[in-house]
Amino acid sequence: GENVEQHPSTLSVQEGDSAVIKCTYSDSASNYFPWYKQELGKRPQLIIDIRSNVGEKKDQRIAVTLNKTAKHFSLHITETQPEDSAVYFCAASKGWAAGNMLTFGGGTRLMVKP
Amino acid sequence: DSGVTQTPKHLITATGQRVTLRCSPRSGDLSVYWYQQSLDQGLQFLIQYYNGEERAKGNILERFSAQQFPDLHSELNLSSLELGDSALYFCASSPQTVVNTEAFFGQGTRLTVV
Repeated sequence: GENVEQHPSTLSVQEGDSAVIKCTYSDSASNYFPWYKQELGKRPQLIIDIRSNVGEKKDQRIAVTLNKTAKHFSLHITETQPEDSAVYFCAASKGWAAGNMLTFGGGTRLMVKP
Repeated sequence: DSGVTQTPKHLITATGQRVTLRCSPRSGDLSVYWYQQSLDQGLQFLIQYYNGEERAKGNILERFSAQQFPDLHSELNLSSLELGDSALYFCASSPQTVVNTEAFFGQGTRLTVV
């Protein structure tokens, strides 16, 4: 089955700096890569996603890049703010044939220091 | 509010007991997914139902079972509970189309086995 590895497990940055979280996946059949943010005690919420036919996607301060050849994708957060502090999860999905279920990475705890 | 409702929010029970967790998906979503989140395991996919039928199975123990009812709500049954079953159990729903779409998570049920 699919295996998703995520690095780093913890990341501490100063407010205003950029943060980068990287994930690798094992199954080349994966074609959908969402990123979820989970605040303490809350549900995971989608912040951005990318499909395998796209190399990069941006949404304000957040961007995701995908390298299908290398089987890795990354989350970039610019101008970090204290409210960005949370656990971030990457995930991969193989689509309808596999039920669209998500295989998650282990998570990255991001701490933004004011 | 994601539109996915899970009950109860918290559950404390003794080892060896059986519990039922309930999930109501977003209106119109045919797919329901169950995920387990424990401290050292991240988010693990357990099982998926689509329009009443089991669609995909992940790392779900034989002591655990699920079903989806005609009104599309789902229940996750956990039996012969062990201390290690203590975790946050999330339900998610999605429209389930050929193209991957966002999975919306409920607020979770925190299960504590004592």
